[in-house]
Amino acid sequence: DGGITQSPKYLFRKEGQNVTLSCEQNLNHDAMYWYRQDPGQGLRLIYYSQIVNDFQKGDIAEGYSVSREKKESFPLTVTSAQKNPTAFYLCASSGGYEQYFGPGTRLTVT
Amino acid sequence: AQKITQTQPGMFVQEKEAVTLDCTYDTSDQSYGLFWYKQPSSGEMIFLIYQGSYDEQNATEGRYSLNFQKARKSANLVISASQLGDSAMYFCAMRERGTSYDKVIFGPGTSLSVIP
Repeated sequence: DGGITQSPKYLFRKEGQNVTLSCEQNLNHDAMYWYRQDPGQGLRLIYYSQIVNDFQKGDIAEGYSVSREKKESFPLTVTSAQKNPTAFYLCASSGGYEQYFGPGTRLTVT
Repeated sequence: AQKITQTQPGMFVQEKEAVTLDCTYDTSDQSYGLFWYKQPSSGEMIFLIYQGSYDEQNATEGRYSLNFQKARKSANLVISASQLGDSAMYFCAMRERGTSYDKVIFGPGTSLSVIP
């Protein structure tokens, strides 16, 4: 089955620790995206990548980093510089006009 | 300035009735796309329907239809014969040309509750 996987579904970290969220797709899509969603709000773009070894900052990139070494994978690292990291993180990929989303990772930092 | 406006934070509908979720957008592009996504409490985003700015006919997908009024910059989602499983958040989104990539902008969402 083609799709996007994100792991883990729930993640807990202590303040000051970096944490990496996984995103893998087997849809053969070139473009991949990371979004952040806060309670009761829409999605905000963190980073996107149009092609392997290339990625660009979105609207709220501060405190986050990404890599795109393989077409299938687009991991997101939430660094200790991110002031309010607790949120729901969604990964998406696109091969045409619509985006396909993964199930999301709910990150809680205390 | 908000690019996607969804003025209904919460809506209620009786099971089997139709419901319209409002969406207005702002763009100066001639070529753009409009989407609706459903987000159940599990959190996943489910693609429902797409309308291209040059499409003359309103898009339909099963019980979902998009009422596209280009001059008014409106892209309302109509759900016919509501079911209990339709209870979820609904997001309107627009894809427009950015300087280096196609940007997808999401609205704040509307929470729909279907009442038995």
